[in-house]
Amino acid sequence: EVQLVESGGGLVQPGGSLRLSCAASGFTFSTYSMNWVRQAPGKGLEWVSYISSTGSLIYYADSVKGRFTISRDNARNSLYLQMESLRDADTAVYYCAREGSATALNFWGQGTRVNVSS
Amino acid sequence: SYVLTQPPSVSVAPGQTARITCGEKNIGSKGVHWYQQKPGQAPVLVVYDDSDRPSGVPERFSGSNSGDTATLTIGRVEAGDEADYYCQVWDSSIDHVVFGGGTKVTVL
Repeated sequence: EVQLVESGGGLVQPGGSLRLSCAASGFTFSTYSMNWVRQAPGKGLEWVSYISSTGSLIYYADSVKGRFTISRDNARNSLYLQMESLRDADTAVYYCAREGSATALNFWGQGTRVNVSS
Repeated sequence: SYVLTQPPSVSVAPGQTARITCGEKNIGSKGVHWYQQKPGQAPVLVVYDDSDRPSGVPERFSGSNSGDTATLTIGRVEAGDEADYYCQVWDSSIDHVVFGGGTKVTVL
């Protein structure tokens, strides 16, 4: 069974940092591209970042470029999102999602909540 | 870059058909994916690549895509279909995933 379990969320002050993790199981992690997607309270889905299966290709939304860093450790079946210079607008539930056929995100974790507030 | 336009809400009676649109110029040239999200839950893929269904998704869910509009159709709507629905494409011109703003489906 495919499982994606996010962790690392919490309350952080504006300007602070946080590192999110996503533990994958039930599939060959090293062969799939992965994404981070977030959802602010009461709002829609917003794509954050993409990383290819080997980590050679990385893309970011304009809203986080230069502040967030996506990475992966295929030996540990884990995906990460290092978030720096956090802003109120980064408050959201952050989901990791596996890319399947034709760029669709076919499996999602349950999300981890990040609250940026003073 | 792509901006996907969805109606904020759609209301439908049980047993009827709900149609949710996703608009953008020439979206028919892209593969469109659709997600269902119920309150407090993660999104779930219900249609990918315009009209394919992942295993386990009922045949009542179908998709089409042509010209400037992609459509998710939910046939014989049930109370359990009440959720937010999002369309999504990969915008290869800027290497970004793009989501529509979402449509809340209410079953009357």
